Amino acid sequence: QKEVEQDPGPLSVPEGAIVSLNCTYSNSAFQYFMWYRQYSRKGPELLMYTYSSGNKEDGRFTAQVDKSSKYISLFIRDSQPSDSATYLCAMSEGTGNQFYFGTGTSLTVIP
Amino acid sequence: NAGVTQTPKFRILKIGQSMTLQCTQDMNHNYMYWYRQDPGMGLKLIYYSVGAGITDKGEVPNGYNVSRSTTEDFPLRLELAAPSQTSVYFCASSYGDRSLYFGPGTRLTVT
Repeated sequence: QKEVEQDPGPLSVPEGAIVSLNCTYSNSAFQYFMWYRQYSRKGPELLMYTYSSGNKEDGRFTAQVDKSSKYISLFIRDSQPSDSATYLCAMSEGTGNQFYFGTGTSLTVIP
Repeated sequence: NAGVTQTPKFRILKIGQSMTLQCTQDMNHNYMYWYRQDPGMGLKLIYYSVGAGITDKGEVPNGYNVSRSTTEDFPLRLELAAPSQTSVYFCASSYGDRSLYFGPGTRLTVT
């Protein structure tokens, strides 16, 4: 069983739609949860960072962590064509520990 | 700040050749990482370092070597290149328990 599971998609939505991206994990020791956005032929860049359970909002983006279900989500409101990218979830146990990545979900927002 | 820089951007190697991928960060991060990214496989950790002089193996270290003589630099050495090492290589740095900052990547083809 992989540490982190993520549906690879691809996901295609019309502009303005609400997008939901999800990851599940098996390691209950994970404390730090991140979402990265990766444009084609570029390095991943941090989008959202959450510690432990709860919600975090940043503009059109909301990250949710449900540790009881070992499930994390990223919501994108009013999606834009510029949101078209691959989204990777990542998590770690804590300081000095390895980061574990999902395989990424490819998103296309159609104008 | 330049962040994380990687050289070269692209490289074609013949089977059995060797090369060094360079990585430099100017954020004074103690933690540095090397990942490889293959299509549909997500990011796999090759080696990481928690500080100058300290390195450790990740998930897929075979065929690679690293050194960390300074805080800023973390080169990755490929010895006896094989076609299985064809991939995109990303260097990243971190404060440890927080987010990773990625470089732009090196696209390597071994033929």
